[in-house]
Amino acid sequence: RKEVEQDPGPFNVPEGATVAFNCTYSNSASQSFFWYRQDCRKEPKLLMSVYSSGNEDGRFTAQLNRASQYISLLIRDSKLSDSATYLCVVNILGYGGATNKLIFGTGTLLAVQP
Amino acid sequence: AAGVIQSPRHLIKEKRETATLKCYPIPRHDTVYWYQQGPGQDPQFLISFYEKMQSDKGSIPDRFSAQQFSDYHSELNMSSLELGDSALYFCASSVRGRGETQYFGPGTRLLVL
Repeated sequence: RKEVEQDPGPFNVPEGATVAFNCTYSNSASQSFFWYRQDCRKEPKLLMSVYSSGNEDGRFTAQLNRASQYISLLIRDSKLSDSATYLCVVNILGYGGATNKLIFGTGTLLAVQP
Repeated sequence: AAGVIQSPRHLIKEKRETATLKCYPIPRHDTVYWYQQGPGQDPQFLISFYEKMQSDKGSIPDRFSAQQFSDYHSELNMSSLELGDSALYFCASSVRGRGETQYFGPGTRLLVL
């Protein structure tokens, strides 16, 4: 079982739709939580960090439930440019607490159709 | 703003050859991470360095080694290459602290024939 599990994709949605991605993680030592976006054959790019209080960045809203070990991402008013793979990522503290490593989910492919 | 630089961007090698990948972190970032992303897979953590010392190790084969130099750049050395080593290799950098954001370089695409 993977440490970070995401909804299987692909998600095919029309422009303007609202789409939600879910993710669960198994390591209770996870420190920080993120959504990254990855375009085909490109590097992962940070979309947003995720906090227990919930946070919003324009059309994107992320939520963390530590008790359930559950993370979500909501995209409103989808644009064609939102088409990408969305990676749910948790940060595990490394040795001595000085650094950390990212554990990625398998990603969910979003295809926004015109 | 300056980003993480990786070189080369593309590399073709034959089985049993060696390869060296280079990573130049964002200025003033003191921590470097290496990740491997196979075809259709998510990135897997390989190894990280903080202030030139190895700080954590993931699923890195014994055939691979890495180091961070005094100017904070890092090199990933891969020997006895196998077909299964064909992948995208990403370097990321961050500033020390708990939960700090990691910024990824554009990656090196390695193809082993």
